[in-house]
Amino acid sequence: GDSVTQMEGPVTLSEEAFLTINCTYTATGYPSLFWYVQYPGEGLQLLLKATKADDKGSNKGFEATYRKETTSFHLEKGSVQVSDSAVYFCALEGSQGNLIFGKGTKLSVKP
Amino acid sequence: GAVVSQHPSWVICKSGTSVKIECRSLDFQATTMFWYRQFPKQSLMLMATSNEGSKATYEQGVEKDKFLINHASLTLSTLTVTSAHPEDSSFYICSAPDVRHPYGYTFGSGTRLTVV
Repeated sequence: GDSVTQMEGPVTLSEEAFLTINCTYTATGYPSLFWYVQYPGEGLQLLLKATKADDKGSNKGFEATYRKETTSFHLEKGSVQVSDSAVYFCALEGSQGNLIFGKGTKLSVKP
Repeated sequence: GAVVSQHPSWVICKSGTSVKIECRSLDFQATTMFWYRQFPKQSLMLMATSNEGSKATYEQGVEKDKFLINHASLTLSTLTVTSAHPEDSSFYICSAPDVRHPYGYTFGSGTRLTVV
């Protein structure tokens, strides 16, 4: 069945460092792909999305490109801030319209 | 944007008791509500899908008699954990399609259930 695999954390970076969180997926067809973020004490929020191959989703300095050939949707940011500390979830849209999530990656950014 | 209000945010209950979790769509009509569960260090797993006015669809391995879902109106969906046991302790979260974004979803803030 459909599944999402993302790198396990926690990831600890210094402020202004480059961030990559890897995400690969297994699916039938070409589902929409998402990155969600959960800040401490809050619910999940949509960070960015891509609906077809080669689409690039971007928001708040984060980017991810839908790579059909490598079935990947890696999240990147050129310069992280302390306020980016959160848990990040990669997800794909399942055939029922539900979301299938990775396990989440906790990011801690130190000043 | 669309907001789903989920209550309670955390609850502690004794084994054998029942707990109800509510998700309300505040500024839109949620015809569909997805209920997820997340165990520590694991991903969110879909438990069931509820549609207003009809029976919920449960995922394989989820006991429908234990996790009662009611979606009686377009603004309220509830999950009741009946006869809760410690192994039901988990993080439960609801989600509805975000009417503003065809491929977006709005999430409740989640409920941390601890059964003692």
